[in-house]
Amino acid sequence: RKEVEQDPGPFNVPEGATVAFNCTYSNSASQSFFWYRQDCRKEPKLLMSVYSSGNEDGRFTAQLNRASQYISLLIRDSKLSDSATYLCVVNFSNDYKLSFGAGTTVTVRA
Amino acid sequence: DAGVIQSPRHEVTEMGQEVTLRCKPISGHNSLFWYRQTMMRGLELLIYFNNNVPIDDSGMPEDRFSAKMPNASFSTLKIQPSEPRDSAVYFCASSHFLGLAGGRTAQYFGPGTRLLVL
Repeated sequence: RKEVEQDPGPFNVPEGATVAFNCTYSNSASQSFFWYRQDCRKEPKLLMSVYSSGNEDGRFTAQLNRASQYISLLIRDSKLSDSATYLCVVNFSNDYKLSFGAGTTVTVRA
Repeated sequence: DAGVIQSPRHEVTEMGQEVTLRCKPISGHNSLFWYRQTMMRGLELLIYFNNNVPIDDSGMPEDRFSAKMPNASFSTLKIQPSEPRDSAVYFCASSHFLGLAGGRTAQYFGPGTRLLVL
């Protein structure tokens, strides 16, 4: 079983729609959680950290469910510029290593 | 502030040639990571340095790969001899490790080196 699993998508949504997707992780000792976005032929960029109580950053909302071992990302009022691959990233036990999911592709159409 | 800097951005070489990739981490970060990304295998961690010391090189595919970090502001990843299957995007990332009790900040990636070995 992979340490971090994501639905690869693609999620094709119209502009203005809400899109949400999850990521599951296998290690219950996981300490830190992040969402990164990666545009085609670019590097992964930090989108947001995910805190235990959930957090928002503009149109983006991240949630953590430790009991079920998943995190989620919700994008409201989707923009064309939100089209990207979203990587779920988990840090186990505060050591150096980050485990990356394979990514969820989101395409926002006009 | 400058982010992680990598060079070259693109490299095309012939099988058997030596390839050297370079990275300058974000100033103040004490951890540096080399990753490789391909469509088939996704993002793979090759090696990790903390305070210029290699901590985990278990991801280095084979002896043809070597990495050094002579100081806090510079690292190299060398492939010698290169093979077509080494073709990939190589990313360098840095972060600040606060110790096991303090946790770690997120990793910040450089723009990558796109390597093609013919």
